[in-house]
Amino acid sequence: DIQMTQSPSSLSASVGDRVTITCRASQSISSYLNWYQQKPGKAPKLLIYAASSLQSGVPSRFSGSGSGTDFTLTISSLQPEDFATYYCQQSYSTRTTFGQGTRLEIK
Amino acid sequence: EVQLVESGGGLVQPGGSLRLSCAASGFTFSSYEMNWVRQAPGKGLEWVSYISSSGSTIYYADSVKGRFTISRDNAKNSLYLQMNSLRAEDTAVYYCARQRGSLGINWFDPWGQGTLVTVSS
Repeated sequence: DIQMTQSPSSLSASVGDRVTITCRASQSISSYLNWYQQKPGKAPKLLIYAASSLQSGVPSRFSGSGSGTDFTLTISSLQPEDFATYYCQQSYSTRTTFGQGTRLEIK
Repeated sequence: EVQLVESGGGLVQPGGSLRLSCAASGFTFSSYEMNWVRQAPGKGLEWVSYISSSGSTIYYADSVKGRFTISRDNAKNSLYLQMNSLRAEDTAVYYCARQRGSLGINWFDPWGQGTLVTVSS
């Protein structure tokens, strides 16, 4: 299976900060990379698909980039509602896999 | 409104069985591939199983292969997960998720609210 490694595992930041989360695949996955946001007790929500395409309804402060093995999710200016856990997912393989998650906390 | 609603979770003893259901509404269920994803308490997301729109193609994670069976009834707009020989490590919230895609790239949207399965004596 393709292993997905996110860094950092947790991150403390302040409202208004610019934040970047990294996801690395154990092999090249082209642009087959998605990002999800999950808040406590809630289902994951799609933010970015195909590495850089913004899901409809998601604020433009979220952006994604990368291809091959290295990807990033950037939040340009953190808002209070952005404090959550973020997961990357590869869909290159039929057996999709997720990163371990990055918990974004308020500083 | 596109909606997925899971049901069927609960407390079951090790070695027992449970059948989860996922009721779909607001879209043409028979046109979409579907998945089950689980999340153990305090842990990350783990893909469990995939089924094609017709039900003809199915995949499982190694951790559940031979014990879990995914199925669907397009006439009833429903997805199922039959779970047998349950183990403590199967304890998790189970989500159903619709698969969407373009140019071969797939993603999950939306997800249901989840149903909790607890395997314990």
